[in-house]
Amino acid sequence: DAGVIQSPRHEVTEMGQEVTLRCKPISGHNSLFWYRQTMMRGLELLIYFNNNVPIDDSGMPEDRFSAKMPNASFSTLKIQPSEPRDSAVYFCASSPTGRSNQPQHFGDGTRLSIL
Amino acid sequence: AQKVTQAQTEISVVEKEDVTLDCVYETRDTTYYLFWYKQPPSGELVFLIRRNSFDEQNEISGRYSWNFQKSTSSFNFTITASQVVDSAVYFCALSIRGNQFYFGTGTSLTVIP
Repeated sequence: DAGVIQSPRHEVTEMGQEVTLRCKPISGHNSLFWYRQTMMRGLELLIYFNNNVPIDDSGMPEDRFSAKMPNASFSTLKIQPSEPRDSAVYFCASSPTGRSNQPQHFGDGTRLSIL
Repeated sequence: AQKVTQAQTEISVVEKEDVTLDCVYETRDTTYYLFWYKQPPSGELVFLIRRNSFDEQNEISGRYSWNFQKSTSSFNFTITASQVVDSAVYFCALSIRGNQFYFGTGTSLTVIP
């Protein structure tokens, strides 16, 4: 079975450019999560969706970040304009339902470097 | 408020030694779930185990075992006869209502051959 698929795996871009990260959740999973991982702050939840609807975006750092889930099989996380402090590994995860007993299954992550 | 504490930032052991990774959690909810994840050097996060708050039975899976104690709010993870392939960062996580996870800061385990 295919797991969570993220693209690109690596992204290097210059400050000020728009960055779009993509995620395809596991088929049949109704919940999707975006995380950011840095050495300083560890794993941070940015936003999560249930049935394509954003439930909690309180972790989104600022207005430069936006996330969409136009359908059950695709989500994007966009940073515009990007800044060096956005450099991190961004993970997408999905789970079967929005219930607390379900493990989240993570993609391989996108390593983002903003120069 | 919910919180997960992994006080051990880094641990190094020699191959074949046993090692225990500590996890202490805080929540006022009576129904909750605890998870362990492994993040090997390749970077992906791999789900290892889930435990619910009503099941305090310890669990063993091969060289891995988990000790859940509600009295001390702990969910510790022991690797027996460690191997180099066990070198990774291990995360403990707590989930209550909904599916929002509260992750600890992780413990980096290095197994020296």
